[in-house]
Amino acid sequence: GNSVTQMEGPVTLSEEAFLTINCTYTATGYPSLFWYVQYPGEGLQLLLKATKADDKGSNKGFEATYRKETTSFHLEKGSVQVSDSAVYFCALENTGNQFYFGTGTSLTVIP
Amino acid sequence: NAGVTQTPKFRILKIGQSMTLQCTQDMNHNYMYWYRQDPGMGLKLIYYSVGAGITDKGEVPNGYNVSRSTTEDFPLRLELAAPSQTSVYFCASSFNAYEQYFGPGTRLTVT
Repeated sequence: GNSVTQMEGPVTLSEEAFLTINCTYTATGYPSLFWYVQYPGEGLQLLLKATKADDKGSNKGFEATYRKETTSFHLEKGSVQVSDSAVYFCALENTGNQFYFGTGTSLTVIP
Repeated sequence: NAGVTQTPKFRILKIGQSMTLQCTQDMNHNYMYWYRQDPGMGLKLIYYSVGAGITDKGEVPNGYNVSRSTTEDFPLRLELAAPSQTSVYFCASSFNAYEQYFGPGTRLTVT
């Protein structure tokens, strides 16, 4: 079946620290992979995506590389800001219509 | 564009009551989705639609019904509310089944 496993949170970092949030997946075939972000009180927003192996998605200083050999799509940012505080969801799409989300990782950045 | 709008924002139901969660999008998207988000959990797909007149079950459809009579609207119906349906419900739409646009959510409590 299809599933996504994310690293447990919450994660607390100081401003300008390096961020990694781990994500691994299980899927048949060749899924597309996504990171969504949810700010407090809001719905999810697409942060970045990668549709095939070795693709790198990037947006707002965040990056993630689609690694088929390790079935991973880890999210990274070199220098986090207070405004990055949110919940981050890894997701995959494998059937053209259905998405599978991880449990989310809460990030708090302190000044 | 308003994007994806959901009503109501909050609702408290008694066990056995019924209600409809409304979802409307003004982006002319063919794909629409209903998810539920339980505390500490990822999003679970309830139902989805690939176009007007077409709906299909997701991971957790039991206790819910949907209809899609127009491209814009995708209401979710709870017929006999149960405490297990206490959750935050998100509607989403998509043009190409890749990037989803989420509404702000409906927080439902069943007591």
